[in-house]
Amino acid sequence: GAGVSQSPSNKVTEKGKDVELRCDPISGHTALYWYRQSLGQGLEFLIYFQGNSAPDKSGLPSDRFSAERTGGSVSTLTIQRTQQEDSAVYLCASSIGQGEGNTIYFGEGSWLTVV
Amino acid sequence: AQRVTQPEKLLSVFKGAPVELKCNYSYSGSPELFWYVQYSRQRLQLLLRHISRESIKGFTADLNKGETSFHLKKPFAQEEDSAMYYCALNRKAAGNKLTFGGGTRVLVKP
Repeated sequence: GAGVSQSPSNKVTEKGKDVELRCDPISGHTALYWYRQSLGQGLEFLIYFQGNSAPDKSGLPSDRFSAERTGGSVSTLTIQRTQQEDSAVYLCASSIGQGEGNTIYFGEGSWLTVV
Repeated sequence: AQRVTQPEKLLSVFKGAPVELKCNYSYSGSPELFWYVQYSRQRLQLLLRHISRESIKGFTADLNKGETSFHLKKPFAQEEDSAMYYCALNRKAAGNKLTFGGGTRVLVKP
């Protein structure tokens, strides 16, 4: 595809429900990232996948958050038992790989509202 | 730990006036700095990176290691420059995991 694709673009869910957010990175990009953009909180790193290496999960805010990347391509971010403070824009990004100068390309985001 | 600070949440300037967005960072290693921009209803996109030493859309940014700053400047702002701007730091030793500043909203008035 032309860019990083995310779905759904908007999601309203009830508190306590689980949600799944999907990311299709740019073809050929081995690195994939999830960020969260909250009002007043800026952009917060969540998780990073690089090839077949173990993901860097250091940014996940709680054990309710998890992500997987199947086949080195598509990634799913799962939030269990959603809380109102999870409301944010979840951004996915990808890059060719590690190394100085690799540009990171962002998707348009999934707007999550927990009511 | 690394940190990126953008002290101004909002900058409002008139068209044709100079604009400078401040960015300060703290990082013990050798940093790689970026500016990202997000126009209204568009995705976040790279504006420029310090290693390229290039001017994009009239914007330039110089890495000052002594002052740990990477301020973004444009001598003559245009209305289309109105957007949200984020300064970001990449720790080279940890992959391309960007740490972002809080962002500065630029409003260019006609």
